[in-house]
Amino acid sequence: AQTVTQSQPEMSVQEAETVTLSCTYDTSESDYYLFWYKQPPSRQMILVIRQEAYKQQNATENRFSVNFQKAAKSFSLKISDSQLGDAAMYFCAYRSYPGGGSNYKLTFGKGTLLTVNP
Amino acid sequence: DAGVIQSPRHEVTEMGQEVTLRCKPISGHDYLFWYRQTMMRGLELLIYFNNNVPIDDSGMPEDRFSAKMPNASFSTLKIQPSEPRDSAVYFCASSPVSERPIFAGNTIYFGEGSWLTVV
Repeated sequence: AQTVTQSQPEMSVQEAETVTLSCTYDTSESDYYLFWYKQPPSRQMILVIRQEAYKQQNATENRFSVNFQKAAKSFSLKISDSQLGDAAMYFCAYRSYPGGGSNYKLTFGKGTLLTVNP
Repeated sequence: DAGVIQSPRHEVTEMGQEVTLRCKPISGHDYLFWYRQTMMRGLELLIYFNNNVPIDDSGMPEDRFSAKMPNASFSTLKIQPSEPRDSAVYFCASSPVSERPIFAGNTIYFGEGSWLTVV
């Protein structure tokens, strides 16, 4: 079974600064997807960024980018120019490729609570 | 484009009562998921469906929990009888399946959640 580990329960960053959230995962599959979701106090789960394992190029969405290291099974999220609205719980998640033999579900890490200081 | 719609958004009920949570997935999505979130256990997958058929219900805590998907546009999660330890946020989510290069089809989209408190 796949596992996702977020080793930082809490992080803080100054407004306008850059912060990196860590995520590692364990899998025997070669093809899969990785995601970062944001959960603000409203509890809504919001997709931040996604990455396909077969793509070597790191995904980027505006101020959000990832550092995907497939061999190391690492998938960190970098938030540049942090804003007060970025304060939330961030979840790293793994999903098997359809037909890959594993359950086609999303496996989450425990989350990292990000605080943005003005 | 309407997202995943869940109801009720908030429910407070007494122990022993039946609770029914409802979900309307995004139109055209093949997969529907029920997740539960608590402080202690984080996000747990309870059950998921593919084309209205339950695929994996290994996360359903016990016989008090049941889920159905009578058609492609509706699912329910029922707890009977409810207990205080069932208090949590319950999320419904859906996703389509599409082969590469349409990667977006493999993203799971969440509803806003149903906050359940059992007293």
